[in-house]
Amino acid sequence: NAGVTQTPKFQVLKTGQSMTLQCAQDMNHNSMYWYRQDPGMGLRLIYYSASEGTTDKGEVPNGYNVSRLNKREFSLRLESAAPSQTSVYFCASSEGPGGLAKNIQYFGAGTRLSVL
Amino acid sequence: AQKITQTQPGMFVQEKEAVTLDCTYDTSDPSYGLFWYKQPSSGEMIFLIYQGSYDQQNATEGRYSLNFQKARKSANLVISASQLGDSAMYFCAISGGGADGLTFGKGTHLIIQP
Repeated sequence: NAGVTQTPKFQVLKTGQSMTLQCAQDMNHNSMYWYRQDPGMGLRLIYYSASEGTTDKGEVPNGYNVSRLNKREFSLRLESAAPSQTSVYFCASSEGPGGLAKNIQYFGAGTRLSVL
Repeated sequence: AQKITQTQPGMFVQEKEAVTLDCTYDTSDPSYGLFWYKQPSSGEMIFLIYQGSYDQQNATEGRYSLNFQKARKSANLVISASQLGDSAMYFCAISGGGADGLTFGKGTHLIIQP
């Protein structure tokens, strides 16, 4: 029962470097999400994909791009990393759309990213 | 826009006591869901309980219950008979009718003391 798998678990980047965070779910969920968590804050939505083939901006999309590769996989790309992007990144999935209970989200273990 | 307010940054509770974690919300959506997540020191986000805005009864899941007062826009989490393993951050979150993500509060750090 893998659920939501994120790779890598830890990453250190230099300012200006690029990287892609990978996320895969095995629950046959339609919707997938990327959040960031900063100290003392709750999670904030970066991008989401309500269903395969669609992506939309969340609350804090600047500096990020996403790709919904297929139903299982949803990647987050930092094209030119900045120190302000130092954070813990969480991927999540839900059964949705189509009903409030289908918005229950299940999270991966997170990626701790430091940008120097 | 949706907003979650958690007014208790931290709480200390004696083991075996009941705990109430406060959550108030604001939304213009007529249909919405309320969620509670637990984040232990290991960092993962664990789903605890869900309440739909049209649900007639308060949600319960084992030792967790959600005290939903729609008129007061509150969705407090109640943990009965607290255990040392309940020590963690707890986040309240809200969603609208679509699959456009959750809005989280800043969390409450709960510490259970023996």
